[in-house]
Amino acid sequence: EVQLVESGVGLVQPGGSLRVSCVASGFTFKNNWMGWVRQAPGKGLEWVANIRQDGNEITYVESVKGRFTISRDNAKNSVYLQMNSLREDDTAVYYCVRWGLTGAMDNWGQGILVTVSS
Amino acid sequence: QSALTQPRSVSGSPGQSVTISCTGTSSDVGGYDYVSWYQQHPGKAPKLMIYEVTNRPSGVPDRFSASKSGNTASLTISGLQAEDEADYYCCSFAGSHYYIFGLGTEVTVL
Repeated sequence: EVQLVESGVGLVQPGGSLRVSCVASGFTFKNNWMGWVRQAPGKGLEWVANIRQDGNEITYVESVKGRFTISRDNAKNSVYLQMNSLREDDTAVYYCVRWGLTGAMDNWGQGILVTVSS
Repeated sequence: QSALTQPRSVSGSPGQSVTISCTGTSSDVGGYDYVSWYQQHPGKAPKLMIYEVTNRPSGVPDRFSASKSGNTASLTISGLQAEDEADYYCCSFAGSHYYIFGLGTEVTVL
């Protein structure tokens, strides 16, 4: 069974930094693109970033470019999202996602709430 | 890029059919056959329902079907059941490993 489990500290002040992590199990992690999707309270889904199997191809949504960094460690079956210069509108549940060979996000973590507030 | 356009809500009685539209542009929905649909119940993570425009993952009931014409994709739920009440999101590949979601549609079973 595929499992994606997110973790990280949930509350940070505006301008601060935070790293969220995702540990994967139940599949061969190094074979899949991975990524992050977020959902602000009461709002819709927004794709944030994704990273190729070898970590050498990365894409971000425009609103986080230069502030967020996605990375992965295939030896630890983990993907990370380093978030800097956080703003209140970054407040959201952040989901770790796996891209299947179908080009769709076929598995999702349970999500982790990140709150940016003073 | 702007979010894909979906109706805010649709509703139907048990057993009826409802269709959700998802309108984009030739740079996303119309340009690629990588449209997917996700179901999200309150407080839960989204679940993949459709991939590559028309395909259902294993375990998704065949009551769920989808199609695409031009810049608009559609999801149809036939034989609506109480457990289908949820939010539904479309998502499209938009080139260069960039993805864009729709605004979401709330499905209500009357």
